[in-house]
Amino acid sequence: GAVVSQHPSWVICKSGTSVKIECRSLDFQATTMFWYRQFPKQSLMLMATSNEGSKATYEQGVEKDKFLINHASLTLSTLTVTSAHPEDSSFYICSAREDTDTQYFGPGTRLTVL
Amino acid sequence: AQSVTQLDSQVPVFEEAPVELRCNYSSSVSVYLFWYVQYPNQGLQLLLKYLSGSTLVKGINGFEAEFNKSQTSFHLRKPSVHISDTAEYFCAVSGPGGFKTIFGAGTRLFVKA
Repeated sequence: GAVVSQHPSWVICKSGTSVKIECRSLDFQATTMFWYRQFPKQSLMLMATSNEGSKATYEQGVEKDKFLINHASLTLSTLTVTSAHPEDSSFYICSAREDTDTQYFGPGTRLTVL
Repeated sequence: AQSVTQLDSQVPVFEEAPVELRCNYSSSVSVYLFWYVQYPNQGLQLLLKYLSGSTLVKGINGFEAEFNKSQTSFHLRKPSVHISDTAEYFCAVSGPGGFKTIFGAGTRLFVKA
């Protein structure tokens, strides 16, 4: 149980385009989902927290107009990187939490912006 | 505020040897503690967690950890490692009431033949 999927697993796009990443909880309802960014050989950096049906809460320094988060249902959250630039290239990981305090992580999405 | 310190950035060890990955935390409230493993280009997989109760927690893949409140530690141990245990290990802390999860910087376990 407690499986979280992400799609796509990797994406390459041109600078200036937008990219959408989906995060789904497959066998449980996630009241809260989290989006992280991970740079090579570093820990996870929390970008934002989203609760179903409400606006996401962004961490300090994260541009909410650039990283659009939608948590439309209890099993789906999306992260859209708008007008992507090479510095947005990174490994993006989502996680989902039901009523307990345990987060379950997706497999991650490797974004490369050319 | 909560914080997590993983004392070793890299731990090389020979196959079948025991290993301990150290984690210390600071928090002014009750804590939940976690260990996750990350293989290259993958997400994080939960190894084990401490929420309450017994301070010795057993997880998957033969790992265990002990919560020590007086020393504010949650060290991860395995009595005999395999090559396949080579990965990045993250200690994390959160708490009741929806506190954010804070991750340590990670420890790279490298198991040598």
